[in-house]
Amino acid sequence: KNQVEQSPQSLIILEGKNCTLQCNYTVSPFSNLRWYKQDTGRGPVSLTIMTFSENTKSNGRYTATLDADTKQSSLHITASQLSDSASYICVVSPGGGSYIPTFGRGTSLIVHP
Amino acid sequence: GAVVSQHPSRVICKSGTSVKIECRSLDFQATTMFWYRQFPKQSLMLMATSNEGSKATYEQGVEKDKFLINHASLTLSTLTVTSAHPEDSSFYICSAVVPGLAAERDTQYFGPGTRLTVL
Repeated sequence: KNQVEQSPQSLIILEGKNCTLQCNYTVSPFSNLRWYKQDTGRGPVSLTIMTFSENTKSNGRYTATLDADTKQSSLHITASQLSDSASYICVVSPGGGSYIPTFGRGTSLIVHP
Repeated sequence: GAVVSQHPSRVICKSGTSVKIECRSLDFQATTMFWYRQFPKQSLMLMATSNEGSKATYEQGVEKDKFLINHASLTLSTLTVTSAHPEDSSFYICSAVVPGLAAERDTQYFGPGTRLTVL
């Protein structure tokens, strides 16, 4: 069964600090992995997308890594801002022409001033 | 990036009434759209895959007669919650896949969501 596990479930940090979110998956075959940011009451917005051959991808202060061998990914947020407070969702697509991805439950990040 | 809109953003209705939610791809044509439901502090749950010009494919446990999906054009899919009950109150989100470019393939672009409250 395809699964995506995220940790921690929630995280509270001070503004300006860095943090790292984790994602482990068992989706097979693997096509790509994406990190989304979902603000409360809004739809998810794509942050990064990585295919099998990519190890790291950056988008501003967000840097995602992928280890396809261990089936792990991380999202590192640098110099956090209050606007980073949101849920971060790891989404893995199985490939093979399927558009149906597997969603993680998300990590709820709260950035305090 | 691709833009997906939803209307309305929030709706409150009485139990037993039907509610229609629209999902539009604004700057691209989407042959396939998806409808999700999200309960508080839960992940998105796929309800159905909407295919233009054909019947939607529903996930196991989703009542097709209760959640009517119509994808009559390449830019519009609608979800109608029929005879809504309080337990149908949720956040409904649609998404669409951008066809064509390899870099964009499989990336789902999500609408802003619709908050449904059934009294």
